[in-house]
Amino acid sequence: EVQLVQSGAEVKQPGESLKISCKGSGYSFNTYWIGWVRQMPGKGLEWMGILYLHDSRTYYSPSLQGQVTISADRSISTAYLQWSSLKASDTAMYYCASARDGTFWWNSWGQGTLVTVSS
Amino acid sequence: QSALTQPASVSGSPGQSITISCTGTSSDVGGYNYVSWYQQHPGKAPKLLIYDVATRPSGVSNRFSGSKSGNTASLTITGLQAEDEADYYCNSYVRRWPTYVFGTGTQVTVL
Repeated sequence: EVQLVQSGAEVKQPGESLKISCKGSGYSFNTYWIGWVRQMPGKGLEWMGILYLHDSRTYYSPSLQGQVTISADRSISTAYLQWSSLKASDTAMYYCASARDGTFWWNSWGQGTLVTVSS
Repeated sequence: QSALTQPASVSGSPGQSITISCTGTSSDVGGYNYVSWYQQHPGKAPKLLIYDVATRPSGVSNRFSGSKSGNTASLTITGLQAEDEADYYCNSYVRRWPTYVFGTGTQVTVL
């Protein structure tokens, strides 16, 4: 069974950089897509972008393009979500999810990483 | 890409059936049979309930069922139970970007 384990909660100040991670196990990492989902406090789920682990093709939500970077290190089966300069409005829970290539559903989810940005 | 439209809340008594709608456009819900549904309990990660409009993953109760007509997908919960009280989100593939879009989410309350 596919399992995704995310890095722990972070508290940062505005302007700081941050990279959170999502480590996969139990499957052939290269045949999957990884997606990142944002959930702001009290709000719904929102796609940030998806990455194909086989060749690192990445697609960003148009509303978030340029604000974050999605990447992966296949050698350690880990995907990343990165900010170069955090804002208070980045405060949210972030989930990673996986979907096998050729399917269109996200059947495994990480436990979530809470990011708090406050001065 | 705008979020798919769901009712903010739906409620029902134990044992009753409820249906949650998810309305999009011909570019997403209406264009592909790639609608999935997710259940999210407070403080928990989402859980896949339905994929490809109407298919249940192994281990998901058969009280959950999905369907689609035109640009609107639906999730029906029959025999409502207290444990079904949660938020529910639809999700559709959107080829234009290509990526996915969630619905606005529906809070289900068991009276």
